[in-house]
Amino acid sequence: AQSVSQHNHHVILSEAASLELGCNYSYGGTVNLFWYVQYPGQHLQLLLKYFSGDPLVKGIKGFEAEFIKSKFSFNLRKPSVQWSDTAEYFCAVNAHDYKLSFGAGTTVTVRA
Amino acid sequence: DSGVTQTPKHLITATGQRVTLRCSPRSGDLSVYWYQQSLDQGLQFLIQYYNGEERAKGNILERFSAQQFPDLHSELNLSSLELGDSALYFCASSVGGGKDIQYFGAGTRLSVL
Repeated sequence: AQSVSQHNHHVILSEAASLELGCNYSYGGTVNLFWYVQYPGQHLQLLLKYFSGDPLVKGIKGFEAEFIKSKFSFNLRKPSVQWSDTAEYFCAVNAHDYKLSFGAGTTVTVRA
Repeated sequence: DSGVTQTPKHLITATGQRVTLRCSPRSGDLSVYWYQQSLDQGLQFLIQYYNGEERAKGNILERFSAQQFPDLHSELNLSSLELGDSALYFCASSVGGGKDIQYFGAGTRLSVL
């Protein structure tokens, strides 16, 4: 079955630490990949996207992600997190149809 | 602000009732998508409309229905509500019906008591 897997359910780290969130998908063929963030009490916001081209994409707020086709992965990274990065992060894939399939989400808690 | 407007923000109702959730897409967007976010199921795609016509269906119950009107706003109707229908319902919109970026509204939090 087609699916999107996020490796970590909850990540806790201190300010200035580096963050990496894993995402794997099981779709074959061409896909569009997204990372969305949901701050407490707010709606989903697009962090970054990959459609084609350079597999290393940069998004807002210092986030970046790398698409590795051979590993069906699209991992999210940030070199130095801030307290304001506390949120839930969702990986999403748009594959054969037009809907977004989301991973279960990773809750990131940054301690000041 | 994504430009997608959802009303109401909160809805509290009783089992067996019917409610209507409303979504106005971003200006110029022709596609509207509905998603349900619950603790046990996560974010699930329900249904998509493109320029007034149903384009794709996901895990939408038969008790739920949706439509997109000529002015492109959309409504999600939930009937015979059950406790398990309590969730956050998001609307998203995109320019076209293809693999475009989807912009999400703030959601409607439905509580069925």
